[in-house]
Amino acid sequence: SQQGEEDPQALSIQEGENATMNCSYKTSINNLQWYRQNSGRGLVHLILIRSNEREKHSGRLRVTLDTSKKSSSLLITASRAADTASYFCATVRSNDYKLSFGAGTTVTVRA
Amino acid sequence: AAGVIQSPRHLIKEKRETATLKCYPIPRHDTVYWYQQGPGQDPQFLISFYEKMQSDKGSIPDRFSAQQFSDYHSELNMSSLELGDSALYFCASRFQGKVGGTANTGELFFGEGSRLTVL
Repeated sequence: SQQGEEDPQALSIQEGENATMNCSYKTSINNLQWYRQNSGRGLVHLILIRSNEREKHSGRLRVTLDTSKKSSSLLITASRAADTASYFCATVRSNDYKLSFGAGTTVTVRA
Repeated sequence: AAGVIQSPRHLIKEKRETATLKCYPIPRHDTVYWYQQGPGQDPQFLISFYEKMQSDKGSIPDRFSAQQFSDYHSELNMSSLELGDSALYFCASRFQGKVGGTANTGELFFGEGSRLTVL
């Protein structure tokens, strides 16, 4: 399966702290994307990093990609209660462009 | 800006009944994806359509079928419903453009989902 494996499955932090979650995958990718899902809602695209990129920033989000280790990390800095959600990584395979989701990390930010 | 519209948002059915979910993609998007997400699970790809033709098939049961119409909206038909079909069903769309082109590697835009409960 191409699906990414996410680590940790759940994370609980205090408001203002940083949250880091990791995603590992198995095959060659064109890009890797991170999505956020509030409970029972649709997934919202956060950031996309291409296979030739190593790091990308968007506001309080920082994504890294290590293609040699087939892994990516998402860092949320200065977390807020509104960041409470599940975060999914999704990989787009380089041979057929198929997008597959990983299992997700549930982040709880305590006020 | 227009988003992906799904209907109905909530649906309750009995076992062995039939259900139909509808998806209206973002205007000008030519590709539609259906995902199923069980409680606490990651989204599982069911099926996708590009320019009204089935483009990829995932873990969609034989009891389910889907199609994309001339106006690009899509419908997911589910028959002989089972308790295990209770889930959130998401539709997503994107503009793919030329098959194999770089446009088909971008982000997906998701609808808010249709929650199906089978009793």
